[in-house]
Amino acid sequence: DQQVKQNSPSLSVQEGRISILNCDYTNSMFDYFLWYKKYPAEGPTFLISISSIKDKNEDGRFTVFLNKSAKHLSLHIVPSQPGDSAVYFCAASPNRDDKIIFGKGTRLHILP
Amino acid sequence: DAGVIQSPRHEVTEMGQEVTLRCKPISGHDYLFWYRQTMMRGLELLIYFNNNVPIDDSGMPEDRFSAKMPNASFSTLKIQPSEPRDSAVYFCASSLAGVGSASYNEQFFGPGTRLTVL
Repeated sequence: DQQVKQNSPSLSVQEGRISILNCDYTNSMFDYFLWYKKYPAEGPTFLISISSIKDKNEDGRFTVFLNKSAKHLSLHIVPSQPGDSAVYFCAASPNRDDKIIFGKGTRLHILP
Repeated sequence: DAGVIQSPRHEVTEMGQEVTLRCKPISGHDYLFWYRQTMMRGLELLIYFNNNVPIDDSGMPEDRFSAKMPNASFSTLKIQPSEPRDSAVYFCASSLAGVGSASYNEQFFGPGTRLTVL
């Protein structure tokens, strides 16, 4: 029973364009959401987070949007750069101080 | 800071053997997590500790798995006996709670141990 779903295993985007990674969740108790980025042979690294009291959080080229009614969040990367090629994990938690549930990840390829 | 350190980076063993994975968290972090990543199940939380005390081990798959944290700078994950289905990448992560806007959900991961059980 997957509580956090990333339905696209992979995504290819042209360099300079916008990358949009999507995530859906089923547990209405989730209140805090995160994105992690992972390069091969490395551990995941924290990228950006959002609390349910917000619908948008921005950090440089990265913006996370949250639609609680649809139980959906997305990560926008603008403009996409070659170094953004990685696996992106969506994660969710009932609050900021509880264990988090990860999705299976989306592999992003930035094309030259 | 060297970050979270895991050893070994790769482990190949035969079914039935005992396997011990090691982790050194970032100094000063008071939460430590063990995860397992497989193609089928993605990244799963196995167990986590707060101040060296196990808080939630509901993700530990079977009694063959055990984890300890004897002090703030060291933790082990042991599998005895190991089975081929235990083959996966095992990650250790640590975090610091309650400092400014930090949350223990913003975890710092080690590079992982790739375990292959033949």
